[in-house]
Parts: sequence; structure tokens; C-alpha cells
Amino acid sequence: GESVGLHLPTLSVQEGDNSIINCAYSNSASDYFIWYKQESGKGPQFIIDIRSNMDKRQGQRVTVLLNKTVKHLSLQIAATQPGDSAVYFCAAEEEGGSEKLVFGKGTKLTVNP
Amino acid sequence: DAMVIQNPRYQVTQFGKPVTLSCSQTLNHNVMYWYQQKSSQAPKLLFHYYDKDFNNEADTPDNFQSRRPNTSFCFLDIRSPGLGDAAMYLCATSSDRGGALHFGNGTRLTVT
Repeated sequence: GESVGLHLPTLSVQEGDNSIINCAYSNSASDYFIWYKQESGKGPQFIIDIRSNMDKRQGQRVTVLLNKTVKHLSLQIAATQPGDSAVYFCAAEEEGGSEKLVFGKGTKLTVNP
Repeated sequence: DAMVIQNPRYQVTQFGKPVTLSCSQTLNHNVMYWYQQKSSQAPKLLFHYYDKDFNNEADTPDNFQSRRPNTSFCFLDIRSPGLGDAAMYLCATSSDRGGALHFGNGTRLTVT
């Protein structure tokens, strides 16, 4: 089945810097990807999604980049703020078109003031 | 605000004592999911309902059951909790299969 992995389990940045969180997926047939933010003691919160017919999508201070050639997904956060401190998960649609999402292991982002 | 609500936020049960976690949604979504999340790990799907159609994951233990009496409510029953079942249990919804999931804030289960 699909496996989704993150390159770094932790990331520490200074307030105001840009953050980049990376993710790799295994199934070249996956066509839907989501980034979630999970703060301590809360459920995952939707940040941004992207379908495979796009290679870039922008939201408010966030950008998702998709490189289907190398099966790589990244989340860029501009001007990172202390409130961005959380665990970030990428998720990809499962192999075989079952439309279930498989989550990666998560990157813990710490923003230092 | 439309949302996914899980009760209770914290649940303590004894080893082997049945426990039920509940989830309600005001989004009127067709699909409801239950995930298990252990410390520092990704959420793991246990099962989901597409409307009334129950879909169990192959590796979900028989100890875990679910009920969905109507569109708004879904329950997770753990028949005989073991110490290894201590985790955060997350309920999520989506309007249809393949869409973004909307999560509740979870129930943290402790087994003593």
C-alpha cells in the first residue's frame, strides 16, 4: 500500500523566517495530497491540499509544492510565527483508488522568538 | 459553527472494562472515520462509515467496534481495553470519499 514519509521529524526556525517541511510518498498513482497541522491536545487541522494536476498551490502564508517526478511534496510557511509551532502531517490518497488518506509520521515545527 | 465534537475529551477506563467514545457532527457529512493516534505517531485509520456502509480496516483488532445510528453520531466501542489501547482517538468526517477530513479534537483514553 501507500507509504508516506517525512524527511525530518523536527524542525526549529526563528520567528519571521520561512519554513519548509518535506514529505515523500510511494504511490505514483496518488492524486490527492493534504497538509495538516496538529497543535498539542487538538485534532489535526486542514491547512492546504493539492491535486496531481497541479504542481503548486498557495494559501495564506502557505504554499504546497508537488513534484510528481520524484514523488515529493513540500509545505512552505512564510514569515513563520510562534502560533505556527505544531506537528505537521502530510497525507496522500492510498494506492488502488480506495480514496483513503495515508498519513506520514509528522514533523514537529518549533518557532523560536 | 459547523464542527466535529468528541466526548469526553479525556477518558480513563480499567483494563478489560468496556468503554464507548462518542462523536457528533453538524457538517452533515456522509463519511465518518475513527482514527487511533499514539504518542508521536501519525493517525491510523481503524474504520469508516460511508453513510450506513461500514468499512473496517484489515488490521483493526476485533476488540474495536463502531456504531453509526444516524448521520450525526458515531460511536467507538472498545470491548476489552488493553494497556496497548491507550491512545488519542480521533473522529473525522468528509463530505464524500477522497475529500479533506475534518477532525474533532479527540478523546485521550487512558487504561489503568
